[in-house]
Amino acid sequence: EAQVTQNPRYLITVTGKKLTVTCSQNMNHEYMSWYRQDPGLGLRQIYYSMNVEVTDKGDVPEGYKVSRKEKRNFPLILESPSPNQTSLYFCASSFNNRRGPGQGYPDTQYFGPGTRLTVL
Amino acid sequence: QQPVQSPQAVILREGEDAVINCSSSKALYSVHWYRQKHGEAPVFLMILLKGGEQKGHEKISASFNEKKQQSSLYLTASQLSYSGTYFCGTADSGGSNYKLTFGKGTLLTVNP
Repeated sequence: EAQVTQNPRYLITVTGKKLTVTCSQNMNHEYMSWYRQDPGLGLRQIYYSMNVEVTDKGDVPEGYKVSRKEKRNFPLILESPSPNQTSLYFCASSFNNRRGPGQGYPDTQYFGPGTRLTVL
Repeated sequence: QQPVQSPQAVILREGEDAVINCSSSKALYSVHWYRQKHGEAPVFLMILLKGGEQKGHEKISASFNEKKQQSSLYLTASQLSYSGTYFCGTADSGGSNYKLTFGKGTLLTVNP
């Protein structure tokens, strides 16, 4: 079954304790992205990756790290979590659609089930 | 800066139509529409691209006015299953086509 998986689904932790949220997809997608969702703020992109070893900042990258060593995995690392990182996190993946040179874009994004993180 | 969606919320009866708008202060390369039902992950609806190309659901239509930096999602003859929060995501022309900024969402409720 084609899917995006995230682990853990729920996590309660304390300020400053490093954590990693894993994201894996089995669709051979080039593009992967992390979003956080907070009430009243919608979806905000944290980081995205156009392909292996290619990552870039979204709108809210502060306090987060990512790496893309393999095509299927895109972990989100919080080196020193703080309470303002309490949120619902979604990972998503898609193919890169190429219209022409410099005209690529992320196609249909498939979202994982979400990880609800609470930082005390 | 997040695109502005309007209205913030709308309530319909089954069979009625709705329009959801998405407006940006920047020139856009693409607009991506997603729907999220309560407690679930967002699901893809449409992509509209600079130059007129679009792809998405057969039963949902949308427009993209490049000059006005606006997109509209048209939901006709609404069904109960259309209920949810609708998000537009935009990629700026002049920036990365892969960096998406989403609006705060429009909550659509369809009642019997």
